[in-house]
Amino acid sequence: QVQLQESGPGLLKPSQTLSLTCAVSGSSMTTDSYYWSWIRQPAGKGLEWVGRIFSGGNTNYNPSLRSRVTMSIDASKSHFSLEMTSVTAADTAIYFCARNNYYFFDYWGPGSLVTVSS
Amino acid sequence: EIVLTQSPDTLSLSPGERATLSCGANQDIRNYLAWYQQKPGQAPRLLIYDASIRATGIPARFSGSGSGTDFTLTISSLESEDSAVYYCQQRSNFIAFGQGTRLEI
Repeated sequence: QVQLQESGPGLLKPSQTLSLTCAVSGSSMTTDSYYWSWIRQPAGKGLEWVGRIFSGGNTNYNPSLRSRVTMSIDASKSHFSLEMTSVTAADTAIYFCARNNYYFFDYWGPGSLVTVSS
Repeated sequence: EIVLTQSPDTLSLSPGERATLSCGANQDIRNYLAWYQQKPGQAPRLLIYDASIRATGIPARFSGSGSGTDFTLTISSLESEDSAVYYCQQRSNFIAFGQGTRLEI
């Protein structure tokens, strides 16, 4: 069974860098051909795709966040990561990691709340 | 940029009734559309992909239809557990979701 689990600091100050990691089990990141994505959701609002990374390292980012986002992957350790620089209160959200099967998301982590506050 | 618009924003129905949720795209997206169900405090769950294919383990009362620019998610006989927010999602150069429809049973 495929499982994903997000981890990282839950509280940041404005201008700091957000760093999250997603641990993957049940799906080989070295042999399976999937993209791995980050999606966020501010409280009470809808879903916003942040970006995705392929096992080989190819990335695609949401154009609205591209200048601040970097994703990386360590397929041998079955995890991938998100960094977002210069965070503001507008980046406060639940951050989900998900397996990108072709274009849709078939497995999701439970989510990690990130709060940006001074 | 492809934009998805869902309607209605909120739908209130009774158990046993049929729910019809709509998702419209501003450009032809062929059948590259997925539907998700999200309950409070949970991650979204994939219901439908390629507009009409049920994901693994999804009950048959959930069905999807449409192609091009107009898509529909139908729940044939509502159960109380179907109360949730439903999102559509498309594939394009970058991935985007509709704004969601809240279904209240």
